[in-house]
Amino acid sequence: AQSVTQLGSHVSVSEGALVLLRCNYSSSVPPYLFWYVQYPNQGLQLLLKYTSAATLVKGINGFEAEFKKSETSFHLTKPSAHMSDAAEYFCAVSEDQGNLIFGKGTKLSVKP
Amino acid sequence: NAGVTQTPKFQVLKTGQSMTLQCAQDMNHNSMYWYRQDPGMGLRLIYYSASEGTTDKGEVPNGYNVSRLNKREFSLRLESAAPSQTSVYFCASSRAAFYEQYFGPGTRLTVT
Repeated sequence: AQSVTQLGSHVSVSEGALVLLRCNYSSSVPPYLFWYVQYPNQGLQLLLKYTSAATLVKGINGFEAEFKKSETSFHLTKPSAHMSDAAEYFCAVSEDQGNLIFGKGTKLSVKP
Repeated sequence: NAGVTQTPKFQVLKTGQSMTLQCAQDMNHNSMYWYRQDPGMGLRLIYYSASEGTTDKGEVPNGYNVSRLNKREFSLRLESAAPSQTSVYFCASSRAAFYEQYFGPGTRLTVT
């Protein structure tokens, strides 16, 4: 069965520093992978998706993620953190029926 | 274009009471989903509807029922609420399986 592991339930970075949020997945079929962001008291918003085209995927707000099949990873990065990036981030993988399996989330804090 | 809308935004129930959470989408999507979000648990799928006229159980269906009223609307019913159902409930929709999902703003439910 498919699963998603997000390493680190909380990540704290300084404003201007690199953001790296880790996601590893297990899937028996070529996966579709997604990153979502959730701001406080809001629903989830799609940041980016991997659907077997380019392995480096660019998303909104300057985020990107790289699909590495050999490492079964889909880590999310942003070169320079901004205060407005503080939120919770969820990685998700599609399962056999096409539904999404979500990781438990990583809360990103950005220090001034 | 409102996307995915949910009503109500907040609700407090007493144990044993019933209620229906409403969800509607205006994107002409085929698939709709209900999730619950609990701290540290990520999102867990309760029920989904791959297309109009079909519904299927997700990971945590016990204590819930759903109705796909038409292509736009997908409701979630709690017949006899329990404190364990205190959660934030999200509705989502997608063009079809394997496509990205779009989320509503959520319903915060407390059962006392």
